[in-house]
Amino acid sequence: AQKVTQAQTEISVVEKEDVTLDCVYETRDTTYYLFWYKQPPSGELVFLIRRNSFDEQNEISGRYSWNFQKSTSSFNFTITASQVVDSAVYFCALRPSGGYQKVTFGTGTKLQVIP
Amino acid sequence: ETGVTQSPTHLIKTRGQQVTLRCSSQSGHNTVSWYQQALGQGPQFIFQYYREEENGRGNFPPRFSGLQFPNYSSELNVNALELDDSALYLCASSLGGADREQYFGPGTRLTVT
Repeated sequence: AQKVTQAQTEISVVEKEDVTLDCVYETRDTTYYLFWYKQPPSGELVFLIRRNSFDEQNEISGRYSWNFQKSTSSFNFTITASQVVDSAVYFCALRPSGGYQKVTFGTGTKLQVIP
Repeated sequence: ETGVTQSPTHLIKTRGQQVTLRCSSQSGHNTVSWYQQALGQGPQFIFQYYREEENGRGNFPPRFSGLQFPNYSSELNVNALELDDSALYLCASSLGGADREQYFGPGTRLTVT
């Protein structure tokens, strides 16, 4: 069985602060993919990143960075110098690398960036 | 390139009724997945269709059924609606294959009264 835990239900930060969203996962699969999605109030899920379980390199994309640690089953997401437009619900997700594409999502972290 | 579209945007039904939700895949995508997202929760996988056949299903009862058409568009049908079926229903399309990215539509908000 797969499980994704996002312990932070809601986070509020002041604009320009850095913020880290935590994600811990459980899986028996030896190979898998991890994802982060952003869901603005409009409802559409916006893909942010996919990480293969073989690749533990951290990744940076502009103000976004991701820290994947297989030893602790964590895949944390940091936004540097947050902006009001970053306000949304963020989901961490997990999918086996084989078989059909069942994605298991966490319960999400609602981020509010205050001007 | 056209993205994933869903219709209708909003829908209100009465308990016991049946509903059909529709999804048009992104151009060229042959795989469609459906998810149910209750308020304040993460999306839950309902099922996936690949080339018109269901090839994976989550923990949803048989009254949740689907179809995929030759043009890869898809329908989600829910019979005997219950109050707990009220949710945002998301459709995602991809080219299939475990390493392919899923692209989500804007969702259909279903309210059951």
